[in-house]
Amino acid sequence: AQSVTQLGSHVSVSEGALVLLRCNYSSSVPPYLFWYVQYPNQGLQLLLKYTSAATLVKGINGFEAEFKKSETSFHLTKPSAHMSDAAEYFCAVSDGMGSGNTPLVFGKGTRLSVIA
Amino acid sequence: DGGITQSPKYLFRKEGQNVTLSCEQNLNHDAMYWYRQDPGQGLRLIYYSQIVNDFQKGDIAEGYSVSREKKESFPLTVTSAQKNPTAFYLCASRLLSGELFFGEGSRLTVL
Repeated sequence: AQSVTQLGSHVSVSEGALVLLRCNYSSSVPPYLFWYVQYPNQGLQLLLKYTSAATLVKGINGFEAEFKKSETSFHLTKPSAHMSDAAEYFCAVSDGMGSGNTPLVFGKGTRLSVIA
Repeated sequence: DGGITQSPKYLFRKEGQNVTLSCEQNLNHDAMYWYRQDPGQGLRLIYYSQIVNDFQKGDIAEGYSVSREKKESFPLTVTSAQKNPTAFYLCASRLLSGELFFGEGSRLTVL
């Protein structure tokens, strides 16, 4: 069974500081990995995804994530936080496409606060 | 524009009543999903459907039912058997590239 662990339910950073949101996964097969962002009372929006190509993945809004198989990690980073980055962030894992439409398994989320 | 429409956005229900949440997509996606979101618990899978007239239970299917009579539609019924139905419900469909595309969600409150 697949699983995702997001370390830290709440992360607070100053505006302009580095953002680091941690995600570790467990999967018995090569995974697909995703980061989503959610603003209050809205659906989830895809930030970026890893699908077995380049291990460093760049997404929208200046975010990027690096797939590290040896560490089973897929941490999300942004060099300089902006006030508009305040939201909830979810990491998710699924089997590679060879398993068809296997549902995504989500972590419990990390709420990011940005302090002016 | 293509997308997923969930309705209603807010719904209030009395205990013992069944309610149905609508999810419609015009993206021509085969697979559709229902997740439930509670504070601090992330998203938990209720049901999913990979093709018309077929669906599978997720991790928390008890007290819920679905149908998939058309490719575009995947309604979720929250029955009176669901003991704690107050939550935010998210519908999604899946792109061929693997990621999910989400609707804006429906917030159900039991009075």
